[in-house]
Amino acid sequence: ELKVEQNPLFLSMQEGKNYTIYCNYSTTSDRLYWYRQDPGKSLESLFVLLSNGAVKQEGRLMASLDTKARLSTLHITAAVHDLSATYFCAVGRRSGGGADGLTFGKGTHLIIQP
Amino acid sequence: GAGVSQSPRYKVAKRGQDVALRCDPISGHVSLFWYQQALGQGPEFLTYFQNEAQLDKSGLPSDRFFAERPEGSVSTLKIQRTQQEDSAVYLCASSPTYNEQFFGPGTRLTVL
Repeated sequence: ELKVEQNPLFLSMQEGKNYTIYCNYSTTSDRLYWYRQDPGKSLESLFVLLSNGAVKQEGRLMASLDTKARLSTLHITAAVHDLSATYFCAVGRRSGGGADGLTFGKGTHLIIQP
Repeated sequence: GAGVSQSPRYKVAKRGQDVALRCDPISGHVSLFWYQQALGQGPEFLTYFQNEAQLDKSGLPSDRFFAERPEGSVSTLKIQRTQQEDSAVYLCASSPTYNEQFFGPGTRLTVL
């Protein structure tokens, strides 16, 4: 059974600081996703990582994937209050291509304080 | 363009009632997914359609849950004889390929 673990689950940090959220998964997968969810809202797609060594950046967020270690990281640079949200990583339930459902981690609740 | 839409946005049901939740995917998206998100948790996969074919229903928690997509576009998730543990947000997502899923706003179901 595929399991996805995120840590930390809760993170309070100050504006201007850097931090990293970790996502470990238990079985082989070739697709990893990062989503953002604001309170009471739906999920917004941030990154789709499809290969070992993939790195993607958007603004102050950068995501990477190491399929051999079954690890993805979401790095936050010089955090600002607007980045406060819950961040989920998710992994495709099957490898080898084809659409399928995702298995999500429990989410990292991020609070950025002035 | 229009995103994934879901209706109703909120639904309150008495225990034992049947409910039907609707999802309108992004036009042209072949794949459609349903997820259940309990409060404070990540979404959990329920079922997946490719066009009108239901290719995976392994996440449906019981035989009270039923989903359909008869014409390969709009989908309905039906829950029969609702129970309190069914209270959650039900999210629908659609995808043009297998790479990215676009989520709707969700339906918040409360079972009293």
